[in-house]
Amino acid sequence: DIQMTQSPSSLSASVGDRVTITCRASQGISNSLAWYQQKPGKAPKLLLYAASRLESGVPSRFSGSGSGTDYTLTISSLQPEDSATYYCQQYYGSPRTFGQGTKLEIK
Amino acid sequence: EVQLVQSGAEVKKPGESLKISCKGSGYSFTSYWVGWVRQMPGKGLEWMGIIWPGDSDTRYSPSFQGQVTISADKSISTAYLQWSSLKASDTAMYYCARQRSATVTIFDYWGQGTLVTVSS
Repeated sequence: DIQMTQSPSSLSASVGDRVTITCRASQGISNSLAWYQQKPGKAPKLLLYAASRLESGVPSRFSGSGSGTDYTLTISSLQPEDSATYYCQQYYGSPRTFGQGTKLEIK
Repeated sequence: EVQLVQSGAEVKKPGESLKISCKGSGYSFTSYWVGWVRQMPGKGLEWMGIIWPGDSDTRYSPSFQGQVTISADKSISTAYLQWSSLKASDTAMYYCARQRSATVTIFDYWGQGTLVTVSS
């Protein structure tokens, strides 16, 4: 299985801050990476796929980048509603695997 | 509007069987893979497997192969996840989700989740 490791596991930031979450794969995944946002008690929501393609309806403050084994999710200007846990997922190898999650708290 | 509506929460005893459901609407149910994702209490997401409702072709994660059965009834646009003998460790939230396509194998629409509690 391809292992996905996110960092940090948790972070706290202020409204307006630029926030970056990193996801590292145990092998190259050719940009086959998605990011999901999950709020407490809710199902995950797709934010980006193909490493950098923004899902329809997702605010443009979310962006993704990376290649090979290393990928990042960036929130350019943090908003209160961005408080959530974020997961990366690779869809290059089988089985598909998720990172362990990054819990983002608003100060 | 694409929707996946899951069956309600379940409380079961160890050893009991269970089948939970996921009904799709607002799209052609037989034209998209449907998958299941487990989330144990306070933990992350785990990809369990997917099914093509058109012919019930099924793919499992090795971690879940033999532990659960994924099935579908295309006549009623419903996918299922079932256990023949539950264990306490099956306690979790289970989500169904639609896979976008055969090449972009991400989950773009999700059900609301079904909480399964297994306790004696």
